[in-house]
Amino acid sequence: DTEVTQTPKHLVMGMTNKKSLKCEQHMGHRAMYWYKQKAKKPPELMFVYSYEKLSINESVPSRFSPECPNSSLLNLHLHALQPEDSALYLCASSQVAGQGPGNTIYFGEGSWLTVV
Amino acid sequence: SQQGEEDPQALSIQEGENATMNCSYKTSINNLQWYRQNSGRGLVHLILIRSNEREKHSGRLRVTLDTSKKSSSLLITASRAADTASYFCATAPYGKSTFGDGTTLTVKP
Repeated sequence: DTEVTQTPKHLVMGMTNKKSLKCEQHMGHRAMYWYKQKAKKPPELMFVYSYEKLSINESVPSRFSPECPNSSLLNLHLHALQPEDSALYLCASSQVAGQGPGNTIYFGEGSWLTVV
Repeated sequence: SQQGEEDPQALSIQEGENATMNCSYKTSINNLQWYRQNSGRGLVHLILIRSNEREKHSGRLRVTLDTSKKSSSLLITASRAADTASYFCATAPYGKSTFGDGTTLTVKP
């Protein structure tokens, strides 16, 4: 069982909709991540939050807007998405960001997003 | 790929056989990790090997690391149908945790 919880599990939205993906962890981790994964591809890093501050944005389009309200929560706000944005969105956390042993990443089960 | 290549891309074996998959990476590392992903699910951490380690074991898993060749291998011994999944290696160059292309393993009962 994962200790990173993502909601909703499935989301269908129109290109003019505004929706949000939510993620929660209670492991005391100080780094949280959003990844996007297309079928038969590896996860692609989108954003990294370290100590509740955005530390990495992998040139993600502004129609994706992350938010970290506190150390346990991570949101991804979605607006004016395109059909090609349909994918599995994975939230993850680790003790800290970076290359040390503490960066073992714990993933949620993901949110399947379909943009119609 | 973002980080390197894994081979083979797909591997199909019979239950009880061993499965070996390889990963290459591009930058210097402090550690390398392996993850498993069942179809449509999140990734699960399997094992971490530090850059000063050459081999590590965990249950039926054996990981090797060759930093001179920038490569790692994951061996699953006595495979089971439940091992059917995609396997990814991951490193964190510049603090960005990135994944290899993955190997899809199918274990036939």
